[in-house]
Amino acid sequence: TQLLEQSPQFLSIQEGENLTVYCNSSSVFSSLQWYRQEPGEGPVLLVTVVTGGEVKKLKRLTFQFGDARKDSSLHITAAQPGDTGLYLCAGASHFNKFYFGSGTKLNVKP
Amino acid sequence: EAQVTQNPRYLITVTGKKLTVTCSQNMNHEYMSWYRQDPGLGLRQIYYSMNVEVTDKGDVPEGYKVSRKEKRNFPLILESPSPNQTSLYFCASSLTRSSPLHFGNGTRLTVT
Repeated sequence: TQLLEQSPQFLSIQEGENLTVYCNSSSVFSSLQWYRQEPGEGPVLLVTVVTGGEVKKLKRLTFQFGDARKDSSLHITAAQPGDTGLYLCAGASHFNKFYFGSGTKLNVKP
Repeated sequence: EAQVTQNPRYLITVTGKKLTVTCSQNMNHEYMSWYRQDPGLGLRQIYYSMNVEVTDKGDVPEGYKVSRKEKRNFPLILESPSPNQTSLYFCASSLTRSSPLHFGNGTRLTVT
């Protein structure tokens, strides 16, 4: 079983739609990161959230860390084909070890 | 350009034939690690290194070895590869253990 559960696993939407990806755990994390991975490449960091309840915005992407620091969400507004990719969340334990979710594969159709 | 470089990008080999995947970073990062990525399982850590000559097991270390003789290099060694080690492998580095990770572009390994 995964320490971090991501949902949905797959998401196929039309350009212009909104979407939310969830990252849930029963464990508390000292910080949580979101990465995006495109085919043939390694994951690239999008954001790090540290404080419970923290909200960070990156253009059309909004990231939220749960109050109890056990979960996080990524919301994309008006998705574009360039947003297509695999989105991974990674939680850092108090021993500074990273645990990755299994990912959400997003396909945005023109 | 700051980067993590892995080689080779693709590798097909046979069971039992020793192989090494190289990893090099040019950011003077202390922390380096190896992950394998399998469908539905996400990224699982194989080994990590906090600094030169300091390495430790991750979550799935069986069948793998690493070494960290220099700060920039962190090779992954499969002494006797088996088909269950067919996977996509990523090397990553970061300034410290808790800093964001910089990933290489991956090595797709097939063991027949």
